[in-house]
Amino acid sequence: EDQVTQSPEALRLQEGESSSLNCSYTVSGLRGLFWYRQDPGKGPEFLFTLYSAGEEKEKERLKATLTKKESFLHITAPKPEDSATYLCAVPGYQGGSEKLVFGKGTKLTVNP
Amino acid sequence: EPEVTQTPSHQVTQMGQEVILRCVPISNHLYFYWYRQILGQKVEFLVSFYNNEISEKSEIFDDQFSVERPDGSNFTLKIRSTKLEDSAMYFCASSETGIGYTFGSGTRLTVV
Repeated sequence: EDQVTQSPEALRLQEGESSSLNCSYTVSGLRGLFWYRQDPGKGPEFLFTLYSAGEEKEKERLKATLTKKESFLHITAPKPEDSATYLCAVPGYQGGSEKLVFGKGTKLTVNP
Repeated sequence: EPEVTQTPSHQVTQMGQEVILRCVPISNHLYFYWYRQILGQKVEFLVSFYNNEISEKSEIFDDQFSVERPDGSNFTLKIRSTKLEDSAMYFCASSETGIGYTFGSGTRLTVV
């Protein structure tokens, strides 16, 4: 069964203190890995898609990387507005459409 | 930027009552999905819909659940007889290609 595990569950940083979030996955043939940001009471907001090992994507203070078994979301010099839960997901292909299998997320709090 | 719209944002219903959650997907998207998130838990796949029929459903999506695209713009999730354990955030999502979703902001369903 396809599985996604994220660590840590929660992370507190001071503003400007860089760190990384981890997403490890077990799938039968990776067809992409997705990172989303979720604010409290809101739906997941798309950040990145990665398709192959070695691929990197960047957006402002965030950089996502992918290896054959895990992905990292690096946060450089975070600001309080980066506080959110970051979700990782992989397609768990069955049938004709790509459902997403999500991890539990990492709740990031950035203190000013 | 195009968005997925969900109504209502919050619904309170009595156990055993029927509820209909409504979604307006992005207009040129062809794939539609419902996910749910019980408080503090993972985002879970419920059902996918393509070409006017269900393409995939999870074990959660039992006979109490149904989906419909009643016209060219709306996509609905009906729960026939709600249970306490149906209380959750329900997210609609749509995709142009079946890979990479846009999620709505969700409907918080509270069953009392």
